[in-house]
Amino acid sequence: KAGVTQTPRYLIKTRGQQVTLSCSPISGHRSVSWYQQTPGQGLQFLFEYFSETQRNKGNFPGRFSGRQFSNSRSEMNVSTLELGDSALYLCASSLAGQKETQYFGPGTRLLVL
Amino acid sequence: GENVEQHPSTLSVQEGDSAVIKCTYSDSASNYFPWYKQELGKGPQLIIDIRSNVGEKKDQRIAVTLNKTAKHFSLHITETQPEDSAVYFCAARFGNEKLTFGTGTRLTIIP
Repeated sequence: KAGVTQTPRYLIKTRGQQVTLSCSPISGHRSVSWYQQTPGQGLQFLFEYFSETQRNKGNFPGRFSGRQFSNSRSEMNVSTLELGDSALYLCASSLAGQKETQYFGPGTRLLVL
Repeated sequence: GENVEQHPSTLSVQEGDSAVIKCTYSDSASNYFPWYKQELGKGPQLIIDIRSNVGEKKDQRIAVTLNKTAKHFSLHITETQPEDSAVYFCAARFGNEKLTFGTGTRLTIIP
């Protein structure tokens, strides 16, 4: 079974721009969670989607948003990029939500200049 | 909310020796404790997990112990090998809440 895939793998943007990252979960998984990973803050939970609905949300500003499609694929968007948004963005999928084992993708490394 | 502390932040051990990483959590209601291994350029991979109704779990060279009274859990790797070099993260979760991760331990196995 194919694992979690994330595109693109690397991205360079400038301050003020916006970016959209994509995540395709493992086949049959309905829950997708997003995390931001930085050297200083570690792994921080952004949000979780299940059946196209946001079910949990972390402590990030409204510039960070996401959505999930009927095929469980998910996108996250960051508007008005700031230097501090440079990070590895990880997506994790699970069968039915945070109660289940989460499987991580390789991440998208975003650099904001 | 839940807070997870992880120690040490870096650990170097001779190949063949054992490595131990410790985590403490704050929410006594937490009931699920996974450990993830992250290699360079990859996402975290689950290596072992334990639930609060179990005190210890083993999988070949890897074991996790949980002390609910003291609110801490540990990862034990025996007979370490070069491929064990990676960053290890502990995490804790209550019910359907989000996973809260520790800050990571960079483990280096010295040949």
